[in-house]
Amino acid sequence: KQEVTQIPAALSVPEGENLVLNCSFTDSAIYNLQWFRQDPGKGLTSLLLIQSSQREQTSGRLNASLDKSSGRSTLYIAASQPGDSATYLCAVRPKGGADGLTFGKGTHLIIQP
Amino acid sequence: DTGVSQDPRHKITKRGQNVTFRCDPISEHNRLYWYRQTLGQGPEFLTYFQNEAQLEKSRLLSDRFSAERPKGSFSTLEIQRTEQGDSAMYLCASSHGSGYEQYFGPGTRLTVT
Repeated sequence: KQEVTQIPAALSVPEGENLVLNCSFTDSAIYNLQWFRQDPGKGLTSLLLIQSSQREQTSGRLNASLDKSSGRSTLYIAASQPGDSATYLCAVRPKGGADGLTFGKGTHLIIQP
Repeated sequence: DTGVSQDPRHKITKRGQNVTFRCDPISEHNRLYWYRQTLGQGPEFLTYFQNEAQLEKSRLLSDRFSAERPKGSFSTLEIQRTEQGDSAMYLCASSHGSGYEQYFGPGTRLTVT
């Protein structure tokens, strides 16, 4: 059974810092990995999708990497801003079986102004 | 650009009552997914549709839960004889197809008293 773990569970940093969020998964047989942002009480906003054949994806100040063989992904946020405060969720789409995503519990990020 | 919409956004019901939620996916998307999220956890996959066909159900989807997508457009999720353990955020997502990025709606927050 695929399991996704996100470390750290919570992180608080001052504005302007670069930071890294970690995601690991137990089964490397995945189609893709998706990073999401969730604001309190709201739905999920897709940030980046990395296909299993890709190593990284970039969008603005965000960069996500994927090392499928070791079951790891990182989300790098450059020059953090208070508006980046949210919970960041990592999810994998396993190969075979259902098309649903398997999620981690998320990293709760606070950027201090 | 019309994203995924869900209705209602909030629902409070008494234990034992039936509730129904609606999801309208992005118009050209043929896959539609339902997830459930409890406090402090990542979303958990419940079921998904390819057009009007329900292709997979998670073991989380007990007999009290039923989902439909009658014409391959909007979908409904019904919970019969609600229990306090059903209190959660119910999220809907849609995508172009297998392996494509999933886009989420704002969710329906259910509280069972």
